[in-house]
Amino acid sequence: DSGVTQTPKHLITATGQRVTLRCSPRSGDLSVYWYQQSLDQGLQFLIQYYNGEERAKGNILERFSAQQFPDLHSELNLSSLELGDSALYFCASSSLVASGTPSSYNEQFFGPGTRLTVL
Amino acid sequence: LAKTTQPISMDSYEGQEVNITCSHNNIATNDYITWYQQFPSQGPRFIIQGYKTKVTNEVASLFIPADRKSSTLSLPRVSLSDTAVYYCLVEQAAGNKLTFGGGTRVLVKP
Repeated sequence: DSGVTQTPKHLITATGQRVTLRCSPRSGDLSVYWYQQSLDQGLQFLIQYYNGEERAKGNILERFSAQQFPDLHSELNLSSLELGDSALYFCASSSLVASGTPSSYNEQFFGPGTRLTVL
Repeated sequence: LAKTTQPISMDSYEGQEVNITCSHNNIATNDYITWYQQFPSQGPRFIIQGYKTKVTNEVASLFIPADRKSSTLSLPRVSLSDTAVYYCLVEQAAGNKLTFGGGTRVLVKP
C-alpha cells in the first residue's frame, strides 16, 4: 500500500459526459501528479500540483483540468469525453517541490488508479 | 521534451542478472533518471533514481555513463516475482517535465 488513495476504482460513462477523479496523497506529501496510461500511449504525464498551485504541465488536453485543494487532495476533471479517453488514470504524490536538481531526490508514490471506460 | 526509448520485452531465468537499457539522447545536465516497476492492475512502484555514474540500493543498480545518453537498470539474481513491466523516467529540471519510456516487459522463467 503506497498510502495514496484514488476514487473511484472503476468508472463507466458515455461519450460527451464529464467525470471527476479524486486523489488523496500520502500524509505530508505536498506534490501531486496525474498520469494517463493507455495501451497505445503508455504512461503519459498530465499535470503536477504543489501545495495547491500548478507546477508543471505535460500532455494534458484542454478538455481536462485539475486542481489541488487546501487539504491537499486533488481532482482531475475530464469533460466532453471521447472513446479515446478510456484509460487508467494514476495519481502519484511526493514530498519534493522541484524535481531534477542535482541534489534532489524524488520518489513518487502511485495510487492504485482509476479505470475509465468511455462507451 | 526528452525522448526515452526502451526495449519492448526481454526474457530471463531465475537467478540471472537482468539489464535493461533506456536511451535518452536529449537529456540536460540537471535531469534525473528514475526507474519504476509495474505489475498488472497496479500503480508503478519506485525502484531507483540516479543522476550520474552508479547508484545501488537493496534491489537494483543504476548505471549512467558520462555522456548520460542512456542508463541501465540492473536487477541481480531475478526471481519469478520480478516478472513485471519496467519503466524509465526522465525528470527534466527545465519546466519540470516528466517523460516515461514505453516500458520493458520482463518475463522471468523458472
